[in-house]
Amino acid sequence: RKEVEQDPGPFNVPEGATVAFNCTYSNSASQSFFWYRQDCRKEPKLLMSVYSSGNEDGRFTAQLNRASQYISLLIRDSKLSDSATYLCVVNSPRGSQGNLIFGKGTKLSVKP
Amino acid sequence: DAGVIQSPRHEVTEMGQEVTLRCKPISGHNSLFWYRQTMMRGLELLIYFNNNVPIDDSGMPEDRFSAKMPNASFSTLKIQPSEPRDSAVYFCASSLASDMRSGSTIYFGEGSWLTVV
Repeated sequence: RKEVEQDPGPFNVPEGATVAFNCTYSNSASQSFFWYRQDCRKEPKLLMSVYSSGNEDGRFTAQLNRASQYISLLIRDSKLSDSATYLCVVNSPRGSQGNLIFGKGTKLSVKP
Repeated sequence: DAGVIQSPRHEVTEMGQEVTLRCKPISGHNSLFWYRQTMMRGLELLIYFNNNVPIDDSGMPEDRFSAKMPNASFSTLKIQPSEPRDSAVYFCASSLASDMRSGSTIYFGEGSWLTVV
């Protein structure tokens, strides 16, 4: 099983639609979770962290389900500018060290 | 504030040539990461440093790849000799991470787009 798995999409939605992405992770010891956004030919940028209780930032809502080891991102009232690839990111503790593991991303295309 | 700075932004080189990619992390950050991104494999961690010390280089593909961090403000990733399959975007990233087990937000540079012909 891959450490972080995402549906690659693409998700093609009209403006104003609500869209949700899911991500599963394999390491039950993971403690930190993030969603990054990557625009075409640009670097990944942090969109939001994901907290155990769930968190919201404007039109974006992130949720974590530790029991099932999945993370979700909900985008409401989608805009053309939301078109990008969304990367699910999970930390992977290994002994005294660790690093961040990136999913391959889910591509979103918002159409007029 | 300046972000992570990488150079060169684009490089086209012939197979067999040496390639050196450079990175200046965000001032004050104590962790530095080198990632490689391709369509097929996504974003892969090659190596990361904590306080200038290489911590995990298990992602380095083979002996042709080497990375150094001589001081807190500079790192290089070198490929010698380069091969066409090394063509990818190489991202450098940094973070202020006191505990690598818990993870921390990382900030990426704009990437170095490498094409080996």
